[in-house]
Amino acid sequence: AQSVTQPDIHITVSEGASLELRCNYSYGATPYLFWYVQSPGQGLQLLLKYFSGDTLVQGIKGFEAEFKRSQSSFNLRKPSVHWSDAAEYFCAVATKAAGNKLTFGGGTRVLVKP
Amino acid sequence: EAGVTQSPTHLIKTRGQQATLRCSPISGHTSVYWYQQALGLGLQFLLWYDEGEERNRGNFPPRFSGRQFPNYSSELNVNALELEDSALYLCASSLALTGREQYFGPGTRLTVT
Repeated sequence: AQSVTQPDIHITVSEGASLELRCNYSYGATPYLFWYVQSPGQGLQLLLKYFSGDTLVQGIKGFEAEFKRSQSSFNLRKPSVHWSDAAEYFCAVATKAAGNKLTFGGGTRVLVKP
Repeated sequence: EAGVTQSPTHLIKTRGQQATLRCSPISGHTSVYWYQQALGLGLQFLLWYDEGEERNRGNFPPRFSGRQFPNYSSELNVNALELEDSALYLCASSLALTGREQYFGPGTRLTVT
C-alpha cells in the first residue's frame, strides 16, 4: 500500500537556526511530491512541489526540498528559521495510478524558540 | 486573485442530523477535492469532482456525498452525523489538466454533539 511517513512528530528549533523536516514515501514509481504548511486553525498552503527534473526544488518563504530517489525521501529545509515558521508541515504525494488523490504524511509540528 | 473559499467557517450539528458544506474553487479551476482532517486520523482524501462528475472517492461510507455545480463550486453533504465526523473539512481546487497541484481553502470546522 502507498504510504507517506514523517518520522518526527515535533521539532523545536531556535530562531535563526536551520531546519530540516524528513519525509519518506513508499510507492512503486516516482510520485509527485509536495510540502504544505498549516498554521493553527487554517487551511493548507503549498510550499513547493516536485514533478520531475532538478531534484532540488525551491519554494516560497525560503524553503527548499531535495528529492532522493535512492532513499525514497523528499526532505524539506530552511537555512534560517523565523518565528513565523512555527506551524505544522505536511508532506504529500500523488501518483497517476491513484488519480489526483493526495496522500499525506502525519505531519511535523515545528516550534520556534526565541 | 481570490483563493478557495469555504462556508460556513464553523458548523455545529447534533448526532443524526445532516450537514452541508460549501466550496468555491479558484477562478479557472474545474476540479474540486474534499479532505477530512480529524484528530488522530490525519488528513484523508474524501472526494474528487471534475466537470460535474465524481472522479474518485476515498474510503468513506456512502453517507458522505457531494456534488459539483455548473460554476464548478461544490457541496459536501454528510448524512446521519456521528460524533466521529467532527473534524476540519478542507476543500481544494486544481486545474483539470495538471490536477496534482491542489490549492486549499481555510476549511469548515464541523462539530457533532
